[in-house]
Amino acid sequence: GQQLNQSPQSMFIQEGEDVSMNCTSSSIFNTWLWYKQDPGEGPVLLIALYKAGELTSNGRLTAQFGITRKDSFLNISASIPSDVGIYFCAGQRTSGTYKYIFGTGTRLKVLA
Amino acid sequence: GAGVSQSPSNKVTEKGKDVELRCDPISGHTALYWYRQSLGQGLEFLIYFQGNSAPDKSGLPSDRFSAERTGGSVSTLTIQRTQQEDSAVYLCASSLELGWRGVNTGELFFGEGSRLTVL
Repeated sequence: GQQLNQSPQSMFIQEGEDVSMNCTSSSIFNTWLWYKQDPGEGPVLLIALYKAGELTSNGRLTAQFGITRKDSFLNISASIPSDVGIYFCAGQRTSGTYKYIFGTGTRLKVLA
Repeated sequence: GAGVSQSPSNKVTEKGKDVELRCDPISGHTALYWYRQSLGQGLEFLIYFQGNSAPDKSGLPSDRFSAERTGGSVSTLTIQRTQQEDSAVYLCASSLELGWRGVNTGELFFGEGSRLTVL
């Protein structure tokens, strides 16, 4: 199935460190969403982006809608143990159907 | 209910049997999506509904997979003659509106998924 390129695939970081991950596509998107998924649960929406260049924060999380409309970035500042999980980006295209295509995921592990 | 509800949460079946997975979206949400997540993998799009019609079913893996939605609400995903490679978590999501205009439209809200194991 179709999936967006997301990197890094996984990362181990120390508690208190900042984290960055990104998602890239060959297609232009009008909407980018960022989700976190804990084991055994469905993804939970973190941040939604609707305009190219938009920078949006939600607590320690900041996400940006890339100027080219083909990428998006998520930053987590001062990570804590509960940030552990899998982070997914999702993009919605500008034409055709309105399905959301998801990234391959970034698995984050925080070392206390 | 307040969120997207899926049932069953877990289903174990024998190869060759048919299974039905149910999704109850957030009340008033017009769009409904089905995704499949294999172990340790990302989310694979299957189908989405706008109301009772399915404008995009391009992600259904084979003709053994089908889905319907009635009354603009509950959706059922049916897998016939299940195979071991069908084992995965099937996630349902709903959205208030399609499209990308304005704030708080088009965001997907997920259920907790139905874990299917085919023996």
